[in-house]
Amino acid sequence: KAGVTQTPRYLIKTRGQQVTLSCSPISGHRSVSWYQQTPGQGLQFLFEYFSETQRNKGNFPGRFSGRQFSNSRSEMNVSTLELGDSALYLCASSFGTLGDGYTFGSGTRLTVV
Amino acid sequence: KQEVTQIPAALSVPEGENLVLNCSFTDSAIYNLQWFRQDPGKGLTSLLLIQSSQREQTSGRLNASLDKSSGRSTLYIAASQPGDSATYLCAVRLAGGSYIPTFGRGTSLIVHP
Repeated sequence: KAGVTQTPRYLIKTRGQQVTLSCSPISGHRSVSWYQQTPGQGLQFLFEYFSETQRNKGNFPGRFSGRQFSNSRSEMNVSTLELGDSALYLCASSFGTLGDGYTFGSGTRLTVV
Repeated sequence: KQEVTQIPAALSVPEGENLVLNCSFTDSAIYNLQWFRQDPGKGLTSLLLIQSSQREQTSGRLNASLDKSSGRSTLYIAASQPGDSATYLCAVRLAGGSYIPTFGRGTSLIVHP
């Protein structure tokens, strides 16, 4: 079966711009979680969407937002980009129940210059 | 708050060795624990998912055990190969929690020929 698809794989943006990342989960999965990974901070949880609703949220500023569509695909948006937003952004797909495990996508590498 | 610690942070071994990677967690009321592998710049690949009612899971040369009472899981890699070189992360999901797992910082493994 198809895995989790993240697009684009790489992005280079300028400070102050905004960016939208996309994640298509495994068919049948209703939960999409987003993570930011940097060498210094490790994996940090951004937010989780389940059935088009944000169910959990991490400690990131309001510049980071997301949404989920009826087909479970999710987008993440970062506005007013800062240099510190340069990171690998990962999404994880699951059925959304406690007994689940995550399946991750390959990530989007965002570089802010 | 659940804390997850992985020791050692880095490991370098010659090919053929049997390895043990450790994952410790502070709250034993967990729902499940998942081990992942991450190659540089890539997403996380799920290796094994252990539910709280299980003691161990096996996949090929990998064996993961879970001891909730001591707050520990170990990932055993038999007959290591250079292709096993990667970072290994564990993620713990609390029972009755927010569903979002807590990740360790990982163990960076290098297997040299």
